Formats: sequence, C-alpha cells, structure tokens
Amino acid sequence: GENVGLHLPTLSVQEGDNSIINCAYSNSASDYFIWYKQESGKGPQFIIDIRSNMDKRQGQRVTVLLNKTVKHLSLQIAATQPGDSAVYFCAEGGFQKLVFGTGTRLLVSP
Amino acid sequence: KAGVTQTPRYLIKTRGQQVTLSCSPISGHRSVSWYQQTPGQGLQFLFEYFSETQRNKGNFPGRFSGRQFSNSRSEMNVSTLELGDSALYLCASSWTTGGDTGELFFGEGSRLTVL
Repeated sequence: GENVGLHLPTLSVQEGDNSIINCAYSNSASDYFIWYKQESGKGPQFIIDIRSNMDKRQGQRVTVLLNKTVKHLSLQIAATQPGDSAVYFCAEGGFQKLVFGTGTRLLVSP
Repeated sequence: KAGVTQTPRYLIKTRGQQVTLSCSPISGHRSVSWYQQTPGQGLQFLFEYFSETQRNKGNFPGRFSGRQFSNSRSEMNVSTLELGDSALYLCASSWTTGGDTGELFFGEGSRLTVL
C-alpha cells in the first residue's frame, strides 16, 4: 500500500473479533476528528467523524470514542472482517486542512 | 455521482524536470485540497483552494504550487523535481465553504516517481 509500513504499528486480529485502533492527537484546540481507511492502491476513505462536543459516535459496525482530557481518539470495529484489512488514519480537522496521524495497519486473518 | 478524479495515475520523471497533476472534484464541491503521502512523512497537507483562491498552504517549498479553475478543477505543479518528491499526491474535495474542513473525499492519487 501507500504506507509501506516501515514504522507503522500493526494490529492483527482474527475475523469476527472486535478491533480497537488508537490515536493520540496533539492540538487541544482541535474540535473535529475523522477516521479514514486506506486500502492498497486507493485514496483514503471516510469512515466516521466526531466533534469535540461529543464523547462517542456510532456508525455501522464502527464506533469512535473521544477523550479530550488525554487527547485520545479510538476507533472500534465490531465483528472485524477480512475486508477491513487496511491502514487506518485518524485526522484532526483544522482551518481548511486535516492533520493526519501516522496510521495503523489492521490485518484480519480468516 | 462521480468521485474525485486524478490524472495521471502514475508517472515517472527525472530530477530537474517539472510535473503537473490534475484533479477534478466531485460535482458541486468547490474546495479542493492536495496532500502528499510518503512512507516516511505520512500524509501532509500541501494547499487548499476555494473559488480559485488559495486559502491555506502547508510547509512545502515554493517549488510546489497549485491553482484552481472556475469549474473547481485544480492542478498542482512541482518544478525542479528532486528525488524526495517521489510520493503519492492525493487530491480531495469538499462541499464546505467556510473554514471548517468538513468531510474530505479523496481521489486515488497520482503516484510520482523521480529518478
């Protein structure tokens, strides 16, 4: 993929397990956060977002948790499937730009 | 609705040359952003355009430039290419009109290799 994973943390799970991907952000003033998924050979794809006035937001099989006290964001994927294998990025929304984290590679074994 | 389209998908250049990459946003999106993705630096913001005006710029040298046309299509140019410019260049569009980023929709990128 685009991130060859030289320094990418990797999370390996079995199909059907729940996955939790973590992200620490740097700017305490950030008020908008997004999770993206990037499959090999493709651009990042929006998964879910959350604003700073929320602690939790749920989508289809995904949940994002935001802890502003420790500047931590997590993405939970329920019943992980092989198709979920990808690199996952958290991003902080800024003025007309996103600041991306380094990414986590999720490997799902059948 | 067609997604964000980037051309070319792949290109090879040599040091010192220049390159122009093109991006067609989703219909109706007026904000177009460019990002550089490398294994070492990850995804880094290059610049953002809205209504033909550059509103924000990342920390890249002046060799990196861009523009947006009245139909919201955008181009970015890199002059005097260096080996370190080898990367995946991603374009993203958004419906947002104000300062808030909003959801960015990414294209599949243009992979530039500099020899």
